[in-house]
Amino acid sequence: SQQGEEDPQALSIQEGENATMNCSYKTSINNLQWYRQNSGRGLVHLILIRSNEREKHSGRLRVTLDTSKKSSSLLITASRAADTASYFCATDRRNTGGFKTIFGAGTRLFVKA
Amino acid sequence: DVKVTQSSRYLVKRTGEKVFLECVQDMDHENMFWYRQDPGLGLRLIYFSYDVKMKEKGDIPEGYSVSREKKERFSLILESASTNQTSMYLCASSFQTGVSTEAFFGQGTRLTVV
Repeated sequence: SQQGEEDPQALSIQEGENATMNCSYKTSINNLQWYRQNSGRGLVHLILIRSNEREKHSGRLRVTLDTSKKSSSLLITASRAADTASYFCATDRRNTGGFKTIFGAGTRLFVKA
Repeated sequence: DVKVTQSSRYLVKRTGEKVFLECVQDMDHENMFWYRQDPGLGLRLIYFSYDVKMKEKGDIPEGYSVSREKKERFSLILESASTNQTSMYLCASSFQTGVSTEAFFGQGTRLTVV
């Protein structure tokens, strides 16, 4: 079963606008991560936020985490056409050998030039 | 730069064939993962390995097996390929630190079973 679920499933905005994507998860976590995937390629790590953090920034990215609501959001400010990609949140699930990284279904972002 | 390399970008196999997907990482990562990605379903974990010769089932292990004889190499095996295994397969690796950490991905293998 999926641990994280993103919404919206798809988002279309104009260049220069901000894009917000949300992620909800079911069980308690240690970390939450956001990844980006360009069409037909592997995923690239964007940012990791720990369960004791509420907000984190990296360049034009801002991630928030609300563990009481089991939710996170990714904000991309001043979007560019090159930000067009799918974005995934990932959470961890403990198992015998350590932690597995579990992904949601993703949000497809399209930024129009 | 961390590199995770999957042996093929595109693969076409026949139903019933035994298929091997290979993944190699060069960062001495303990953890390695195999996911499949299908439209609307995101990435689903097939198998996970946290050490040489150690493996754990993911969410959808049926029809697959894995092998990790060396730390840098993690192989996914489709014992008897079926058309419903047509998908994008992604390999990833990460350090084992007691909590989840950044995963590094290969470029993916798009497998078509005919």
